Amino acid sequence: DTGVSQDPRHKITKRGQNVTFRCDPISEHNRLYWYRQTLGQGPEFLTYFQNEAQLEKSRLLSDRFSAERPKGSFSTLEIQRTEQGDSAMYLCASSYPRGESSYEQYFGPGTRLTVT
Amino acid sequence: LAKTTQPISMDSYEGQEVNITCSHNNIATNDYITWYQQFPSQGPRFIIQGYKTKVTNEVASLFIPADRKSSTLSLPRVSLSDTAVYYCLVGDRNFNKFYFGSGTKLNVKP
Repeated sequence: DTGVSQDPRHKITKRGQNVTFRCDPISEHNRLYWYRQTLGQGPEFLTYFQNEAQLEKSRLLSDRFSAERPKGSFSTLEIQRTEQGDSAMYLCASSYPRGESSYEQYFGPGTRLTVT
Repeated sequence: LAKTTQPISMDSYEGQEVNITCSHNNIATNDYITWYQQFPSQGPRFIIQGYKTKVTNEVASLFIPADRKSSTLSLPRVSLSDTAVYYCLVGDRNFNKFYFGSGTKLNVKP
């Protein structure tokens, strides 16, 4: 078990460009979450998948954002026509059910996006 | 979605016990309370979770009163490496979505 990995770790792009991030969850974890975090704030939920199905999307996820999880394994988050306000850390987490407990989430190191 | 309120920051010294309280007045019957720790430039890390009364694991204890409108994370004998941001969040058993809030920045001094 190598943990949740995210790629790239850092991305600098110009306003208007499209960017895509990848998240590889812990194997056998059926849930995958995406969050956005800006400086000094806690992570903001964006969306989550159970297997390949996208079950919940935040209102923060504008039409320029799209996420996929083909085959229920890795996931991608794409931002189209990036804006400076998209600059943030994008975090991915995965989890699986544990009996009476909740879905404890394991977070990746994040992808830091800077839009110039 | 139940929101949480925590102190913005706390200071402590090495070896002391630290208690961080979180208010969640609108917690729902099915909601669990979870605490995460986050170091700079890293993703949050699960610390502890509970539904009621007291939960203890190898790193922390979680105290939840009967009305469940608040909870207290207790860190015994903190060290410098416990300096981090601590988030309290609530969510239903299926944790379909979360509200992290701004967290409590704990600064442990030597």
